[in-house]
Amino acid sequence: EVQLVESGGGLVQPGRSLRLSCTASGFTFGDYAMSWIRQAPGKGLEWVAFIRNKAYSGTTEYAASLRGRFTISRDDSKTIAYLQMNSLNTEDTAVYYCARGGGSARYYFDYWGQGTLVTVSS
Amino acid sequence: QSALTQPASVSGSPGQSITISCTGTSTDIVGYNYVSWYQQHPGKAPKLMIYDVSKRPSGLSNRFSGSKSGNTASLTISGLQAEDEADYYCTSYSHSAHVVFGGGTKLTVL
Repeated sequence: EVQLVESGGGLVQPGRSLRLSCTASGFTFGDYAMSWIRQAPGKGLEWVAFIRNKAYSGTTEYAASLRGRFTISRDDSKTIAYLQMNSLNTEDTAVYYCARGGGSARYYFDYWGQGTLVTVSS
Repeated sequence: QSALTQPASVSGSPGQSITISCTGTSTDIVGYNYVSWYQQHPGKAPKLMIYDVSKRPSGLSNRFSGSKSGNTASLTISGLQAEDEADYYCTSYSHSAHVVFGGGTKLTVL
């Protein structure tokens, strides 16, 4: 059974950093691209970033609105995808979902985690 | 403002069919067959319903179908059931933005 479990969310002050983790199981992690997608309270879904698998050199892509503040990475040996978020502001408050897919000619998200809430507030 | 345009809400009675539209541009829907649709119930994670315009994940009801014509993709739900009441989002690969989402459509089963 495919499982994705996010962790690392919480309350953080504006300007600070936070790192989210997505621990995967039930599939060959290294064969798939992984993505982060967020949802602000009461709002729609917003794609954040994806990282391709090793076959596509593990390259990354980001939403333009993030302006280089976020970094996605992966550790295939631990089957974990990460999202490093810097210079957080109140507009980054959202539930952050990890999802399988999003790159490597597989532009859909077939499995999602339960999400982790990030609240940016002083 | 979302890159893809969806109606804010649609409604239908049990047993009826409804269609949700998703309008894009030449840099996304028109140019690529990478449209997907997601169902989200309140407080839950989204669930993949349709991928690559019209493909259904294994085990998903054939009441859900997808199509595309020009710059508009569509999700059709036939034989509407109470449990179909949810928010629905479309997404597409975009040449300029990689992945774009629609703003979401709230489906109400009357």
